[in-house]
Amino acid sequence: NAGVTQTPKFQVLKTGQSMTLQCAQDMNHEYMSWYRQDPGMGLRLIHYSVGAGITDQGEVPNGYNVSRSTTEDFPLRLLSAAPSQTSVYFCASSDSQWVTEAFFGQGTRLTVV
Amino acid sequence: GENVEQHPSTLSVQEGDSAVIKCTYSDSASNYFPWYKQELGKRPQLIIDIRSNVGEKKDQRIAVTLNKTAKHFSLHITETQPEDSAVYFCAAIPTYSGAGSYQLTFGKGTKLSVIP
Repeated sequence: NAGVTQTPKFQVLKTGQSMTLQCAQDMNHEYMSWYRQDPGMGLRLIHYSVGAGITDQGEVPNGYNVSRSTTEDFPLRLLSAAPSQTSVYFCASSDSQWVTEAFFGQGTRLTVV
Repeated sequence: GENVEQHPSTLSVQEGDSAVIKCTYSDSASNYFPWYKQELGKRPQLIIDIRSNVGEKKDQRIAVTLNKTAKHFSLHITETQPEDSAVYFCAAIPTYSGAGSYQLTFGKGTKLSVIP
């Protein structure tokens, strides 16, 4: 039972490069979200999805794109990396029917130089 | 949208003492309030949650209280142990029946240090 799996765990990008952070869950959860965690700022919602084909913006969506073609996968794309996007990124999933525990992936530490 | 304020940002207690972390929220429609613990370098994990129809919930050494009128909720840890040292996040989410929205809003976190 893997839960929520994120890849990669660490990544260094140059300014202007693009990349995709992968997130997969095997719990058949409808709700999936992406957060970024910065020192002193807590966890801030980037984008979320309430089911396959449905996505919406969170608090800090600029510079990021998402798509949800399957229930299991919710990738986060950085279009043109900037130093301000240096952060730890967490993917999370939750059961849609009842508001309950959000299960987090292990995180991706991204550095943009 | 929802805004969650969390205090204090850091908290140091002696082993065996109690620790209290407080949060306030802005959206009166919020009615689910989870608490997450994040150990250094690890992912956040749920430790306890409370729904708006309950004023208090306990689980061994941890408890959460909710005051919907005042829009605040608190985490209480009794008989603290060194393994309680971590960052704790409160969160709130409005639950709208049938709505396609899920925006779990977190506080900025409290770094708890338990001194042996």
